[in-house]
Amino acid sequence: QSALTQPASVSGSPGQSITISCTGTSSDVGGYNFVSWYQHHPGKAPKLMIYEVSNRPSGVSNRFSGSKSGNTASLTISGLQAEDEGDYYCTSYTTSRIRVFGGGTKLTVL
Amino acid sequence: EVQLVESGGGLVQPGRSLRLSCAASGFTFDDYGMQWVRQVPGKGLEWVAGISWNSGSIGYADSVKGRFTISRDNAKNSLYLQMSSLRPDDTALYYCAKCSRGQFYYYMDVWGKGTTVTVSS
Repeated sequence: QSALTQPASVSGSPGQSITISCTGTSSDVGGYNFVSWYQHHPGKAPKLMIYEVSNRPSGVSNRFSGSKSGNTASLTISGLQAEDEGDYYCTSYTTSRIRVFGGGTKLTVL
Repeated sequence: EVQLVESGGGLVQPGRSLRLSCAASGFTFDDYGMQWVRQVPGKGLEWVAGISWNSGSIGYADSVKGRFTISRDNAKNSLYLQMSSLRPDDTALYYCAKCSRGQFYYYMDVWGKGTTVTVSS
């Protein structure tokens, strides 16, 4: 099972919007609405940011939003803030009855 | 407070075995699926294994299938990962994570802080 494809890095200035893509196949991202996104700082527990494609957990800023089109899911962060820096991972359930992660995207706030 | 605490990590020689544990508290453990996820130093998150609330559904990543066994003891509110035939590329920080519902295909909403496994001679 191949990992989902994410850009290795994205950057933006405070106040700008950025989007991180997560491309899979019809066997994972395209086949289920079980896509979720996590913010991770190495050595710490990952934090859930978006679940089931576009739902935001309580306590997560409404600057974070998720969507999906075909085999590609996206995480958009608007009004970028310095505290948004970190690594972001998408993950999806697959038809092989396993879960797969994307390779991760490092977000830098300039 | 919902809490997951991993233990059992350490330094182990290639080919040997190790068992990780995850102690859960603050929620009804036997209502939820659970998962193990790892992060190799300097690399991304990798899903390792998942188990449903009643152990009726279990899945493994190809990289560990046949070598690792996930299990749970609902009476002890504990999740386990039995790792055998360990290889240097199994060296990682291993996280235990709670699913949002009973099956492990649901998203992970709570994570532990991880336990480090180092496989080296």
